Amino acid sequence: ETGVTQTPRHLVMGMTNKKSLKCEQHLGHNAMYWYKQSAKKPLELMFVYNFKEQTENNSVPSRFSPECPNSSHLFLHLHTLQPEDSALYLCASSRSSGGGNEQFFGPGTRLTVL
Amino acid sequence: QKEVEQNSGPLSVPEGAIASLNCTYSDRGSQSFFWYRQYSGKSPELIMFIYSNGDKEDGRFTAQLNKASQYVSLLIRDSQPSDSATYLCAVKVPPGSNYKLTFGKGTLLTVNP
Repeated sequence: ETGVTQTPRHLVMGMTNKKSLKCEQHLGHNAMYWYKQSAKKPLELMFVYNFKEQTENNSVPSRFSPECPNSSHLFLHLHTLQPEDSALYLCASSRSSGGGNEQFFGPGTRLTVL
Repeated sequence: QKEVEQNSGPLSVPEGAIASLNCTYSDRGSQSFFWYRQYSGKSPELIMFIYSNGDKEDGRFTAQLNKASQYVSLLIRDSQPSDSATYLCAVKVPPGSNYKLTFGKGTLLTVNP
């Protein structure tokens, strides 16, 4: 266990549903990230939060809406998704100041959009 | 475009051999380099990081960095079947990207008993 937890681990949703992914880190980190991992593609950074402030939105469609209420929790709200959004969604955290920015990943949520 | 390139493999080695995984990157300003291991169906796990030119050893793993050649590698000595996984190379590029890593597509390693 890396100290980063994600729920749910698996999610199947229709294109008209609204759902949320949750991430929690117990490492005392201040930066949190959402990544998307699709088959045969590199990990794609979606969003970065540092001290609860969003510092990066990597041109993510608005049907993905992040929320970071505090440095330990991160959410990804999903609505009107497309089948091509089916992927493994990974949350990660790291220290926010200097250092090597070692990121530690949660177990991921396997999302299937029907 | 900041890129990180890895051979996708699969790289197949016999048990006990040395596995050599390679990664090149395009941004000369890259500062920090990371190797993650990802088992099938699991999330990436950090196994090594290196910041300075040269070698860094941790148990059976050695990371090698050559900034002049924009090349970083991971050597796994005495490879075990449990080392079979996809290995991801990640690079931190400055400036204005203190919290961002760019990942390669990964190299699939298979260690045969």
